[in-house]
Amino acid sequence: KQEVTQIPAALSVPEGENLVLNCSFTDSAIYNLQWFRQDPGKGLTSLLLIQSSQREQTSGRLNASLDKSSGRSTLYIAASQPGDSATYLCADWVPGRKLSFGAGTTVTVRA
Amino acid sequence: AAGVIQSPRHLIKEKRETATLKCYPIPRHDTVYWYQQGPGQDPQFLISFYEKMQSDKGSIPDRFSAQQFSDYHSELNMSSLELGDSALYFCASSSGTGAYGYTFGSGTRLTVV
Repeated sequence: KQEVTQIPAALSVPEGENLVLNCSFTDSAIYNLQWFRQDPGKGLTSLLLIQSSQREQTSGRLNASLDKSSGRSTLYIAASQPGDSATYLCADWVPGRKLSFGAGTTVTVRA
Repeated sequence: AAGVIQSPRHLIKEKRETATLKCYPIPRHDTVYWYQQGPGQDPQFLISFYEKMQSDKGSIPDRFSAQQFSDYHSELNMSSLELGDSALYFCASSSGTGAYGYTFGSGTRLTVV
């Protein structure tokens, strides 16, 4: 059974600081790694998808990397803004199985 | 771009009542997944459908059933509702088996009173 762990569980930083969110998984047969953002009581918004043949993806201030050998993915958010405050979840996908979610990292960016 | 549409957005039901949640996937997505997210919890997989057939089953109570129709929309039917069923229910869709990522709907918030 795939176990996905996210560290830290919560993070509070001043505006402008860079954020580093970690995700680790136990099954190295992972195929895709997808990062989502969730605002309180809202749906899941896909941020970045790293597919099997890829090692990282970038979108604006966001960069996500995937290291299958160590079973880790990292989401970097540069120059954080108060609008980045949300819960960030990583989810991995193994062929034949559903997405496995981590418990999320709740980020608070202080103005 | 079209997204995953869920209806209703909010639903309030009494204990022992029945609820039906609907999900309309992104056009040309043939796979639908249902997730349940309780307060402060990560999403828990309930069930999925691929080409109108059940493809995977998670922690879905026997009181719940779901199906995918010919137009690929899906409905989650929940009977004999309990207080513990109060949660955010998400639908996600993907093309094929999920190799190109999942897109989630905004969810249906079900409150059982």
